[in-house]
Amino acid sequence: DAKTTQPTSMDCAEGRAANLPCNHSTISGNEYVYWYRQIHSQGPQYIIHGLKNNETNEMASLIITEDRKSSTLILPHATLRDTAVYYCIVRANKGLGGGSNYKLTFGKGTLLTVNP
Amino acid sequence: DTEVTQTPKHLVMGMTNKKSLKCEQHMGHRAMYWYKQKAKKPPELMFVYSYEKLSINESVPSRFSPECPNSSLLNLHLHALQPEDSALYLCASSDREGGTEAFFGQGTRLTVV
Repeated sequence: DAKTTQPTSMDCAEGRAANLPCNHSTISGNEYVYWYRQIHSQGPQYIIHGLKNNETNEMASLIITEDRKSSTLILPHATLRDTAVYYCIVRANKGLGGGSNYKLTFGKGTLLTVNP
Repeated sequence: DTEVTQTPKHLVMGMTNKKSLKCEQHMGHRAMYWYKQKAKKPPELMFVYSYEKLSINESVPSRFSPECPNSSLLNLHLHALQPEDSALYLCASSDREGGTEAFFGQGTRLTVV
């Protein structure tokens, strides 16, 4: 049973910001929002994660709504190399009452295509 | 070193063959994972090892047999596979089971003929 909903595909112009939405309306209080991406024929790559507050690292920013029912991954200046499938995953961290929900379970993701 | 190394990169095997996939990491991670990914589908969890002990088996058929000889190595032994088992097999590791960040290898592309 899917816990997240993402658009199937999105396009973005090179150099512009890419904003990838994710709905997770059934998220529990102890569940984090994780983002991974998978470039064609490669293994998935961790991007960022957050619980309540907005987060930023060298790759991206994560904006989580106040009710935590949705989030947006922002790639500030998309390049051609950012073309990939982006996965939004909600899961607990083990040791925080997560039970089996700490498993990293991938949904269908969003295929982001960055165009020249 | 933040690499997870998988060998071989490609493997073609017959349905009566026995082969093994190998995965290695030197990040000191104590959790290691096997995922299976069919074309145009998301990765699916198969097995989780935590501190060299099998922690999770996602009801995987017995023709797939995992092994964790030590904290750096993870094997997946294959025997009597079917053509529908052809897929990309991904190995991952994290500092602990359910850890914050999982590092994935580049995968082994398996074709069963």
